[in-house]
Amino acid sequence: QKEVEQNSGPLSVPEGAIASLNCTYSDRGSQSFFWYRQYSGKSPELIMFIYSNGDKEDGRFTAQLNKASQYVSLLIRDSQPSDSATYLCAVSNTGFQKLVFGTGTRLLVSP
Amino acid sequence: DADVTQTPRNRITKTGKRIMLECSQTKGHDRMYWYRQDPGLGLQLIYYSFDVKDINKGEISDGYSVSRQAQAKFSLSLESAIPNQTALYFCATSDAHTGEKNTGELFFGEGSRLTVL
Repeated sequence: QKEVEQNSGPLSVPEGAIASLNCTYSDRGSQSFFWYRQYSGKSPELIMFIYSNGDKEDGRFTAQLNKASQYVSLLIRDSQPSDSATYLCAVSNTGFQKLVFGTGTRLLVSP
Repeated sequence: DADVTQTPRNRITKTGKRIMLECSQTKGHDRMYWYRQDPGLGLQLIYYSFDVKDINKGEISDGYSVSRQAQAKFSLSLESAIPNQTALYFCATSDAHTGEKNTGELFFGEGSRLTVL
């Protein structure tokens, strides 16, 4: 079992729709959870991070964490073509020593 | 100027050659990392360092070595490059986890694309 799992996609949504990206992790001691966006050939950039169970909202983005189910999600409201990218879920291991990344979900937003 | 700078940005080399990828940072972070990215495989950790005297292997360290020359510099070496080391390599930094304000976020360089023929 991979430490961090994501559906590779592509996830296709029309412009203006809600995109829902999901991630599961195996280490129950994981402390911090991150969503990075990566455009093709570019470096990852942080979109959201979350520590506590529940929802965290920042503009059009909402991160959701359920530690009991070991599940993290990212919702993107009012999706735009510029949101088309690969979204990487990352989990900080116990002790905050390193981030383990999922393989990423490719999101395509069509005009 | 970028906070995390990688050189070279692109390199084509031949099997068996020694290659060094360099990373320098101006963020003042203690922690530095080298990741490799292959299509469909996400980011895999090669080596990481928490200070100048600390070096740790990651998931895929075989065939690689690193040197932490100073707090701001962390280099990755391929002693004898092979074609399956063709990939996009990222250096990253983070602050040590102290205090509530530290998010544990990684700050990435722009990447070094290595092709081994």
